[in-house]
Amino acid sequence: QQPVQSPQAVILREGEDAVINCSSSKALYSVHWYRQKHGEAPVFLMILLKGGEQKGHEKISASFNEKKQQSSLYLTASQLSYSGTYFCGTESSGTASKLTFGTGTRLQVTL
Amino acid sequence: DAMVIQNPRYQVTQFGKPVTLSCSQTLNHNVMYWYQQKSSQAPKLLFHYYDKDFNNEADTPDNFQSRRPNTSFCFLDIRSPGLGDAAMYLCATSRVDRGNGYTFGSGTRLTVV
Repeated sequence: QQPVQSPQAVILREGEDAVINCSSSKALYSVHWYRQKHGEAPVFLMILLKGGEQKGHEKISASFNEKKQQSSLYLTASQLSYSGTYFCGTESSGTASKLTFGTGTRLQVTL
Repeated sequence: DAMVIQNPRYQVTQFGKPVTLSCSQTLNHNVMYWYQQKSSQAPKLLFHYYDKDFNNEADTPDNFQSRRPNTSFCFLDIRSPGLGDAAMYLCATSRVDRGNGYTFGSGTRLTVV
């Protein structure tokens, strides 16, 4: 089952904040977050581990609720360079390391 | 710089004509993945290698095969490409211990004519 992301798309003005949600129907070992710009490969942003510490960038952070099998990505003081499609990727508990990508959230930051 | 390299960047093939896409990595990662990404969709896992152990996704068509002759190289073979196989094909690598991010190559965009 593919993780479901919300919202599907969001338009922000530069400097505004956004939250992207990712929900899975399976028990999760980890959640990854990637950003993909048009025509380019996904770029790793951060990973959240079950029972582990959060890693991330200064203005981009994330949370992971293991019990609810949900993760949220927080973008603060957005910049034009944040534009792109954001994908969560989930690794399920009990399986070998392989990532299932979420449905994606298209983010556009304008002036 | 250590990286994942995919060749070619763009590939045009004829309907039904076998095609091979290649991926190489200098990261010395044990795990390599092939993803298919169609327009406006999420990447979809086709297969992955844990060292030389091959793992096929249940819904990967038989038309797709893969080879990993050594740690550094991985190939995706499409035996008889159809119009529906036109997509971006992404190679990715990760370390064997779980909890690490994936490093993606720049992808090969396949067009079937």
